[in-house]
Amino acid sequence: DAGVTQSPTHLIKTRGQQVTLRCSPKSGHDTVSWYQQALGQGPQFIFQYYEEEERQRGNFPDRFSGHQFPNYSSELNVNALLLGDSALYLCASSLVRPPSTDTQYFGPGTRLTVL
Amino acid sequence: AQKVTQAQTEISVVEKEDVTLDCVYETRDTTYYLFWYKQPPSGELVFLIRRNSFDEQNEISGRYSWNFQKSTSSFNFTITASQVVDSAVYFCALSEAENNFNKFYFGSGTKLNVKP
Repeated sequence: DAGVTQSPTHLIKTRGQQVTLRCSPKSGHDTVSWYQQALGQGPQFIFQYYEEEERQRGNFPDRFSGHQFPNYSSELNVNALLLGDSALYLCASSLVRPPSTDTQYFGPGTRLTVL
Repeated sequence: AQKVTQAQTEISVVEKEDVTLDCVYETRDTTYYLFWYKQPPSGELVFLIRRNSFDEQNEISGRYSWNFQKSTSSFNFTITASQVVDSAVYFCALSEAENNFNKFYFGSGTKLNVKP
């Protein structure tokens, strides 16, 4: 049973560039959430996708956007990178059974460094 | 305001000692979920437990136990007879459902160092 996978593992970009991170959810899951984890901090919720639509969003600027594909995989895009965007980006998948909430399972993360 | 507070930034214990990690949360919802995750140095968050707001029974799983008290808005985690492999950062999280979709809030984490 495949868990959550993310690519790439590490990425180095320069200020002003754009980046795309990818995530495949755990088998059987239909919802993907993205988090940013700065060094020494807890994960901060960016947004959540279900049925190819953004359903929830945290306090992140519009430079952060996403997409979910019909196979439930997802991408996180960040435009106009800033030094402060350097962090571990975590993807989590879950199964939505309204109105309940389900456990989120996390991938290994993508370490983004902005120089 | 922080929705999840983990006041202990770092704890160091000697192997075989018991240790309790504190978690205090804040929510106005009547239905919510609480979680604990473990983050080893590899970085991947590992799910440990989930409790819903209507179930205040304490839970034990091997050396791990959890104490949920709604009266104090706390969800504490105890490791009995700690081992070196327990060394990691532990996160407490709160999930609130808005329009049927959950929003997760994580605490800042407690780094546990278990020394041999």
